[in-house]
Parts: sequence; C-alpha cells; structure tokens
Amino acid sequence: GQQLNQSPQSMFIQEGEDVSMNCTSSSIFNTWLWYKQDPGEGPVLLIALYKAGELTSNGRLTAQFGITRKDSFLNISASIPSDVGIYFCAGMNYGGSQGNLIFGKGTKLSVKP
Amino acid sequence: DAMVIQNPRYQVTQFGKPVTLSCSQTLNHNVMYWYQQKSSQAPKLLFHYYDKDFNNEADTPDNFQSRRPNTSFCFLDIRSPGLGDAAMYLCATSRTGDGLNGYTFGSGTRLTVV
Repeated sequence: GQQLNQSPQSMFIQEGEDVSMNCTSSSIFNTWLWYKQDPGEGPVLLIALYKAGELTSNGRLTAQFGITRKDSFLNISASIPSDVGIYFCAGMNYGGSQGNLIFGKGTKLSVKP
Repeated sequence: DAMVIQNPRYQVTQFGKPVTLSCSQTLNHNVMYWYQQKSSQAPKLLFHYYDKDFNNEADTPDNFQSRRPNTSFCFLDIRSPGLGDAAMYLCATSRTGDGLNGYTFGSGTRLTVV
C-alpha cells in the first residue's frame, strides 16, 4: 500500500529559527495536507495543497506540492514556542467513496525559548 | 462554531468490559471516520461511513465495531478491550467531493484499559 516517509522524525531548535520538514511517497497523490497536533488534542489542518507545483502560505507557514506529486515540504519561519507539537503530512486521493487519508509518521518539533 | 465533538475526552475501562466512544458533528459532512492513534505514531484508520455505507479497513480487528444512527452521530464500540487497545481515538469528518478542506478532526478520546 501507499506509504509516506516523513523527515526529520524530531527537531530541537532555538526560538526564531526557521524549520523545514518534508514527506515523500512511493506513489502519487492528488492532495497533500499538513496537520499540527498538540498533546492530547486532535490534528488541526494547517495547509492543504491540491495542485502539483502549488506553493501555499498560511502566516509563517509555507508548503509546496511537489511537481512529481510524490512529495511535499513544510517550512516554518521565525519559530516561536507555540509552534511546539507534532506535524503530520498526509496524502489523499479523494473522489468516489472518499479516499483514505494516508499519514506520515510525524515530525516532533521542540522550540527552546 | 461548526465542529466535531468527541465524548468523553478521557475514558478508563476494565479489561474485557465493552466500551463506547461517541462523536458528533455540526458540519453536516456525509463521511465520518474513526482513527486509532497510539503514542508517538500516526493515526491509523479503523473504518469510515460514507453516508450510511460502512467501510471497514482490512486490518481492523473484529473487536472494533461502529454505528452511525444519523448524519450527526457516530459511535465506536470496543466489545472486549485489551491492554493493546489503549490509545487515542480520533473521529474525523469530510464532505464527498470536497477534498478542498481535508478532514476535520475532533479532539479525541484517550482510552485507558486497566
């Protein structure tokens, strides 16, 4: 089945630094999503990407849908303490009976003030 | 605000004692999902309802069942919880043909089995 490789697995950074994480897949998706999950909470959608090559921003977050449709990256600029959490990429091929959302294993972000 | 609500947030159950987790939504989404998330792992899909049609994942144990009495509510029943079933259970919703907004997740129910 489809699998997503997300890296890095964890990051420890200083407040103010930029962060980059990425996901690669063995097969193509027509949608890439990035979620953030705080401890004890459900994932919250950060950015959704629907078109190969698409670059989308949401505040300090920027994500891109790879041209090959098999990869995506998420950048966070000027990190702050509240950016702490686990970031999941997810790929989806929606349509019909609604495709399954395939998750990466997550990137755990720690920010030192 | 329209949202996905899961109750309870924390549930403790005894080994082998049936337990039910609930999910409700005010988004009027026609698809509802149940995910299991164990510590430090990605959410894993157990099953989903496309309208009234139930779709079970091939590797979901028979111990897990689900009911969707109407559009707004969906239940996860664990018939005989084992220690390995301790996890966060996430409910999510989406609307057919509207992958534009991804899935909307509830805050989850943390299940402890003692």
